[in-house]
Amino acid sequence: DAGVIQSPRHEVTEMGQEVTLRCKPISGHDYLFWYRQTMMRGLELLIYFNNNVPIDDSGMPEDRFSAKMPNASFSTLKIQPSEPRDSAVYFCASSLIRQGSSYEQYFGPGTRLTVT
Amino acid sequence: RKEVEQDPGPFNVPEGATVAFNCTYSNSASQSFFWYRQDCRKEPKLLMSVYSSGNEDGRFTAQLNRASQYISLLIRDSKLSDSATYLCVVIPTGGFKTIFGAGTRLFVKA
Repeated sequence: DAGVIQSPRHEVTEMGQEVTLRCKPISGHDYLFWYRQTMMRGLELLIYFNNNVPIDDSGMPEDRFSAKMPNASFSTLKIQPSEPRDSAVYFCASSLIRQGSSYEQYFGPGTRLTVT
Repeated sequence: RKEVEQDPGPFNVPEGATVAFNCTYSNSASQSFFWYRQDCRKEPKLLMSVYSSGNEDGRFTAQLNRASQYISLLIRDSKLSDSATYLCVVIPTGGFKTIFGAGTRLFVKA
């Protein structure tokens, strides 16, 4: 059974360019989370969706960041324009949350973004 | 003050040792608690949930103290394969805005 799929795995881009990160959650999961991980700030929640609807985007650093989930099997995180300080590993995670469930989040392998 | 704080580590222990990690959280209205494990350059994976009554999974024991707002993880009989970063995770009440601690690195040596 496929886990969470993210693409690309590595992205190197120049400052000012648009970057789009993609995520395919585990089939049947109803929650999707986007995280950013850096040495300085650790793992930070950027935004999460429930049934394709954004629930909390308070972690999105600024207007340059946007996320969409057009359907249950696909989500994107876009940075426009990108800046060197956006360099990080971006993780997508999905979960099936029900009363009495473990609330476990399954993470994808991450996208390592470098902005030069 | 950070919402979730952990022992910074690193912890360097020999095989067979017992090691304990602590984590404190600031929001008393927190509903769910977890320990995740992250290997170098890999994604985090759930190690175990933490329940009010405490829970054990093999060599791992997790405890929750709501009054003092801390959770702990105890690893007995450490193995080389336990070397990783352990992340404390808290979810406040009223949603799933998941908060990760900065992590504690563990190195188990032969």
